[in-house]
Amino acid sequence: AQSVTQPDIHITVSEGASLELRCNYSYGATPYLFWYVQSPGQGLQLLLKYFSGDTLVQGIKGFEAEFKRSQSSFNLRKPSVHWSDAAEYFCAVGALNAGNMLTFGGGTRLMVKP
Amino acid sequence: NAGVTQTPKFRILKIGQSMTLQCTQDMNHNYMYWYRQDPGMGLKLIYYSVGAGITDKGEVPNGYNVSRSTTEDFPLRLELAAPSQTSVYFCASSYGGQGYGYTFGSGTRLTVV
Repeated sequence: AQSVTQPDIHITVSEGASLELRCNYSYGATPYLFWYVQSPGQGLQLLLKYFSGDTLVQGIKGFEAEFKRSQSSFNLRKPSVHWSDAAEYFCAVGALNAGNMLTFGGGTRLMVKP
Repeated sequence: NAGVTQTPKFRILKIGQSMTLQCTQDMNHNYMYWYRQDPGMGLKLIYYSVGAGITDKGEVPNGYNVSRSTTEDFPLRLELAAPSQTSVYFCASSYGGQGYGYTFGSGTRLTVV
């Protein structure tokens, strides 16, 4: 069975600073990988996804993520964080299964200092 | 489009009570899911459905039931509420097939006292 680990429960960055959120997955084959963002009191919104091909994936709101097979990682990055990026971020992995089920990591809560 | 709509947004139940969490989507998605979210635990899959009339258990199905009589609706039933079911519940839908992302509802915050 697949699994996802997000090592950082909380991260605080200053506005304008760069950001990297870590995600490590466990899966025997090439996974489908996703990043979602959850604003307070809201549902999850898809930021970006990786299926195959180019390992650097661009998403919405200026985010990008890089798939590194050798490290089983799919880290999320943003060059310059805005105060509105404060939210919880979830990494998820999907496998080849009939239900298209996703397995989610525990989440990383991002706080942005002015 | 409304996307995925969940009702109610908040609910307090007493131990042993029953309730149904409603979920409706208007995107003609075949796949629908129920997840629960607990602090620091991410989202855990309760039940899912790949089409009308077809449902299957996820990782944490005990204490819950679902039905899928139409493509649009996927209600989640709690028969005998327990404090362990205090959580935030999310319904999601997907076009289907590997690699499609989900569209989530805004969630139902349930407290069992």
